[in-house]
Amino acid sequence: KQEVTQIPAALSVPEGENLVLNCSFTDSAIYNLQWFRQDPGKGLTSLLLIQSSQREQTSGRLNASLDKSSGRSTLYIAASQPGDSATYLCAVSGVTGNQFYFGTGTSLTVIP
Amino acid sequence: DTGVSQNPRHKITKRGQNVTFRCDPISEHNRLYWYRQTLGQGPEFLTYFQNEAQLEKSRLLSDRFSAERPKGSFSTLEIQRTEQGDSAMYLCASSLGTGWTEKLFFGSGTQLSVL
Repeated sequence: KQEVTQIPAALSVPEGENLVLNCSFTDSAIYNLQWFRQDPGKGLTSLLLIQSSQREQTSGRLNASLDKSSGRSTLYIAASQPGDSATYLCAVSGVTGNQFYFGTGTSLTVIP
Repeated sequence: DTGVSQNPRHKITKRGQNVTFRCDPISEHNRLYWYRQTLGQGPEFLTYFQNEAQLEKSRLLSDRFSAERPKGSFSTLEIQRTEQGDSAMYLCASSLGTGWTEKLFFGSGTQLSVL
């Protein structure tokens, strides 16, 4: 069964700092990997999707990379802002089975 | 595109009661997923529909849980004889397409509290 791990579980940084969130998965047979943002008590908002054949995707201050062979992805956030404070989750879409497997998330706090 | 809509947003019920949640996916999306999330955890897969067909159901899902998607439009998730352990956020997501390009769009969730 696919297992997804996110490190660190929580991160606190001062405003303006660049930061990296990590996601690892055990089965490299994936279709894609998605990064989501979740605010407290809310649903998930999709940030970036990387197909298994791609190496990275960028959206504004966000850059996600994927190394499928090593089972790793990173989400890079540039020039962090207090509004970036949220929980960030990664999810992989497995080739076997019809579901997405989620990590437990990284809770990010950006201090003004 | 009005997004994925879930109702109610919050539900408080007593142990042993039945509850039903509704999810309206994005109109052209053919896939619909139900997930459950508890505090500090990632979403856990419950079940999935392709159009009106329920194609997969988690082995963790007890017989007290049932889901439907009549006519491939909205979906309902019913929990019978609720238990305190059912307290969680129930999330619905929809998508269009399969495989490499499949992107999930989530609703705001239904927060269930079983007293």
